[in-house]
Amino acid sequence: AAGVIQSPRHLIKEKRETATLKCYPIPRHDTVYWYQQGPGQDPQFLISFYEKMQSDKGSIPDRFSAQQFSDYHSELNMSSLELGDSALYFCASSYLPRGSGNTIYFGEGSWLTVV
Amino acid sequence: AQKVTQAQTEISVVEKEDVTLDCVYETRDTTYYLFWYKQPPSGELVFLIRRNSFDEQNEISGRYSWNFQKSTSSFNFTITASQVVDSAVYFCAGWGAQKLVFGQGTRLTINP
Repeated sequence: AAGVIQSPRHLIKEKRETATLKCYPIPRHDTVYWYQQGPGQDPQFLISFYEKMQSDKGSIPDRFSAQQFSDYHSELNMSSLELGDSALYFCASSYLPRGSGNTIYFGEGSWLTVV
Repeated sequence: AQKVTQAQTEISVVEKEDVTLDCVYETRDTTYYLFWYKQPPSGELVFLIRRNSFDEQNEISGRYSWNFQKSTSSFNFTITASQVVDSAVYFCAGWGAQKLVFGQGTRLTINP
């Protein structure tokens, strides 16, 4: 079965640079989530999209932005990178009628290292 | 706001032992959903199980079993006859406010 596809898998950037992560959800899934997991931490919710509209926002820095495109893929843009942005970034998707707790499937993650 | 507590930070057992990972979920919602995910050293998050709050039946899948008790808001995960490949970080998570909230995770090490 198709899974959530994330690219790139690994990324090294310098401070103050910009990075873009891409996510392709499971076909027919209408909701995409972005999570950030720092070293030794649990994943923290950043932002979500439902049917291409921003659905919810978590602890996402103002330097970060995201969108979901007409083909349902999503991109997370991170600007003015800081050392503290080094983390594992997950994209996840689900088919999610509002209010239900359908299963959320995660991609393999994108490792971002800021040097 | 909901809160997921995994009191065990790290557990280390010898292969073939049984091990139980604890999870407590706090929420004001009467209907909620709980999940377990496995994160092996390679980093991906692997879905293991989803449970609705109105279904208190225990579930078994091979060597894995889950015990949900609504009265104590606990959703514990037991691995029977553990194997080295079970070594990973295990996260309990709760669905609330249109997003998944994770516990702190339990690092499980199975020693040969």
